Amino acid sequence: DAGVIQSPRHEVTEMGQEVTLRCKPISGHNSLFWYRQTMMRGLELLIYFNNNVPIDDSGMPEDRFSAKMPNASFSTLKIQPSEPRDSAVYFCASRRSDSGYTFGSGTRLTVV
Amino acid sequence: KQEVTQIPAALSVPEGENLVLNCSFTDSAIYNLQWFRQDPGKGLTSLLLIQSSQREQTSGRLNASLDKSSGRSTLYIAASQPGDSATYLCAVMNYGGSQGNLIFGKGTKLSVKP
Repeated sequence: DAGVIQSPRHEVTEMGQEVTLRCKPISGHNSLFWYRQTMMRGLELLIYFNNNVPIDDSGMPEDRFSAKMPNASFSTLKIQPSEPRDSAVYFCASRRSDSGYTFGSGTRLTVV
Repeated sequence: KQEVTQIPAALSVPEGENLVLNCSFTDSAIYNLQWFRQDPGKGLTSLLLIQSSQREQTSGRLNASLDKSSGRSTLYIAASQPGDSATYLCAVMNYGGSQGNLIFGKGTKLSVKP
């Protein structure tokens, strides 16, 4: 089991550019979550999927953020256009029903 | 709205001490509670998961307790070691949340001095 795999590990981009973060959940896990972590706000849920269907996207900060899960083994979080205040660590996590969460190593995003 | 608070925000102890980290939550209708460890610049590692029907879980030198009625959980670390230095995060999942999200505290940053 390779765990939850996120890519890239680090991303530095210029303001206004499109950023795409990727996540591969653990095989057999039916729920996938995108979190953002900042010093000021800690860990915040952005969106989660259950069986590839978005269930709650109330945490997505604004329309510049979008997430997709085209199949059970892949999800993307896209920011377009990116802004400096989007700089944070973005985590993906997955779980089975009645199990705990497993987190990926995160993507550290810096928007300059 | 569920809120999770962790006290203290930071803790420094000498090696070998037993210590307790505290977590409180405002809504006692939780499905489960999970403790995580986060090393600097790294992801979250799950330490212990306590279901709402359980009162404690143990793994090696770690013991986590849960008192739903008072909205509290503690993480006890026995015989602390420098390798235990990390940020410890508490997170709860509410009922109606069997497919729902975790609500995190801000964490306790632990430093164990040799």
